Amino acid sequence: DAKTTQPPSMDCAEGRAANLPCNHSTISGNEYVYWYRQIHSQGPQYIIHGLKNNETNEMASLIITEDRKSSTLILPHATLRDTAVYYCIVRVASNTGKLIFGQGTTLQVKP
Amino acid sequence: DGGITQSPKYLFRKEGQNVTLSCEQNLNHDAMYWYRQDPGQGLRLIYYSQIVNDFQKGDIAEGYSVSREKKESFPLTVTSAQKNPTAFYLCASSIFQKNQPQHFGDGTRLSIL
Repeated sequence: DAKTTQPPSMDCAEGRAANLPCNHSTISGNEYVYWYRQIHSQGPQYIIHGLKNNETNEMASLIITEDRKSSTLILPHATLRDTAVYYCIVRVASNTGKLIFGQGTTLQVKP
Repeated sequence: DGGITQSPKYLFRKEGQNVTLSCEQNLNHDAMYWYRQDPGQGLRLIYYSQIVNDFQKGDIAEGYSVSREKKESFPLTVTSAQKNPTAFYLCASSIFQKNQPQHFGDGTRLSIL
């Protein structure tokens, strides 16, 4: 599975959009991009995933660049409850299931 | 509500004792997984199961055992052979279609007395 690079930390003002970048320059054609977040002492929460098209659900939007070498997770109106560690994961669809969580981005939403 | 339930939330083990962590899901998912998370680190796969009565070792299976007798349940036993069992244990499940995401329970924190 391709390696991902994320900034270690970011701040965002409450009510504003949070844009979390992820670099996956070695991604191959059959690898999906998944985003999870983990609040301290809880299990990771699935947010969204995509292959090459932009995706949107009730939690967030995922923007994948045309060359697929990077992506951005967008939380449109961040709240204090969105403070968490956000993980970007690239995984081959045929993989037996292992998710490789890197260090992620600690997002701090401030009032 | 559908979800994954892990119990207990906190567990203490004496030296030389086996303990079993429970994981139950009512999502009708085929595949189930066990991960271990150490402080400040990512998740590491212990075991996974794609169908009932079948399971596979992950990256760090030594000192652990599992069973999958029912689709809904995938208990993990931490045996006395696991020399460093203190960690946060996470169970996940997914539909057995290759791009489907895994969904996680809230974890069990195991400590040694």
